[in-house]
Amino acid sequence: NAGVMQNPRHLVRRRGQEARLRCSPMKGHSHVYWYRQLPEEGLKFMVYLQKENIIDESGMPKERFSAEFPKEGPSILRIQQVVRGDSAAYFCASSPTPRGGYTFGSGTRLTVV
Amino acid sequence: KNEVEQSPQNLTAQEGEFITINCSYSVGISALHWLQQHPGGGIVSLFMLSSGKKKHGRLIATINIQEKHSSLHITASHPRDSAVYICAVSSRGTGNQFYFGTGTSLTVIP
Repeated sequence: NAGVMQNPRHLVRRRGQEARLRCSPMKGHSHVYWYRQLPEEGLKFMVYLQKENIIDESGMPKERFSAEFPKEGPSILRIQQVVRGDSAAYFCASSPTPRGGYTFGSGTRLTVV
Repeated sequence: KNEVEQSPQNLTAQEGEFITINCSYSVGISALHWLQQHPGGGIVSLFMLSSGKKKHGRLIATINIQEKHSSLHITASHPRDSAVYICAVSSRGTGNQFYFGTGTSLTVIP
């Protein structure tokens, strides 16, 4: 069991480009969570998804950010028209149930230049 | 005011010392989590607590639901324990929000 796999580990994008971050949950986990860690700040919840459903997106910026967790394949966090302020580490976690057994990925470090 | 407060922010200890990191929270929770983040690395979930005390090796986590307070203890600290320790709570509210403390940066000196 490879754990939660996030890729890429590092991503560099120019302002205005799109960033796609992938998260493959642990086998048997159908709950996925995305978090953002801005430089010098703590982790912030972004979105909670189950297969094909967004359960809670209260932490997602209203514009440019979207997330999906399709029936097949990884969860994708998509950031359109990136700006310098999007530079951060984005972490994904998965769990087999809504309230326990969380496993975190190693994160994707996005740098917008 | 943050929903989760941790103290201290930074902690330096000599190898072998007993370490305590504290966490207070202000929201209703379903569980409290202690996470470990190494520099440049990913995040590891150390404990999930909803009551009482848990022990894993040299790590001990306690929670007092009435006082809305948790502590993480490290016995016989070692340089490899150097990391950021993050307290997080999963809210009892709608959805499944996590609230995170800002972390305690621990350095253990040989």
